[in-house]
Amino acid sequence: GQNIDQPTEMTATEGAIVQINCTYQTSGFNGLFWYQQHAGEAPTFLSYNVLDGLEEKGRFSSFLSRSKGYSYLLLKELQMKDSASYLCATSGGSYIPTFGRGTSLIVHP
Amino acid sequence: GAGVSQSPRYKVAKRGQDVALRCDPISGHVSLFWYQQALGQGPEFLTYFQNEAQLDKSGLPSDRFFAERPEGSVSTLKIQRTQQEDSAVYLCASILSTRGMTDTQYFGPGTRLTVL
Repeated sequence: GQNIDQPTEMTATEGAIVQINCTYQTSGFNGLFWYQQHAGEAPTFLSYNVLDGLEEKGRFSSFLSRSKGYSYLLLKELQMKDSASYLCATSGGSYIPTFGRGTSLIVHP
Repeated sequence: GAGVSQSPRYKVAKRGQDVALRCDPISGHVSLFWYQQALGQGPEFLTYFQNEAQLDKSGLPSDRFFAERPEGSVSTLKIQRTQQEDSAVYLCASILSTRGMTDTQYFGPGTRLTVL
C-alpha cells in the first residue's frame, strides 16, 4: 500500500530557508517526486530522488533516505512567489505515483 | 502544442447531467494519466493509458466514470449522472516514454468541475 505524510501548512519569511518534510510507506518503492502547485494551476515538477542523499538544483534541494522512508524539500532564499503547495509523491511497484495531501507554504515579507 | 492542454477549464453541471472532459497530451507522449484533485488534497490517481490501451483503471471511483484514448493521443474522461461529490479539479498528465512514473509527468491546467 501507499501512505504519505507531510505537514498541512507552513509559514516562512522572505529570504529565509524552509524545510518541508515527507514520510512515506510505499510498497516496492522506486523513487520520490516533489511538485510545486500554485493555486489554481497544474503541478510542476521540481525533483525526483531515487538514491539516498541530497540533490541540489539552484535554490531548491531534495533529500531522500530510503531506509528511513523520509524525504525533505529545502527551499533557500525564499521569495514571495514560492508561496504554493508542495506535493510529495512516491512511485512504487505499480509505477503509478501516489501523492500526499501537499504542504501549503506561505511566504510573508 | 507546447504543453498538455485540457478543455473546458471550468464546467458547471447540474446533478444528474453527463460531462466529458478532454485532454490533449504533449505530442508524441506515450503515457497519459487522469487524476482527481479535491480542494486541499493531493491528486488522486484515476486511470492510466499507454498509447490507446487503458492499462490501469483501478482509481475510477465508480462505473459512472469512463475514460478513452481511441487513437493514442487525445483522451476523454466521461462522467455520467454527475453527483455533488464529483466536484473537483480533474488533471491530466502525460509522459514521453513507457517507463512509467520514473519519468517526469507534465500536467495540464486541469478542468474544475462543479456539480450543483
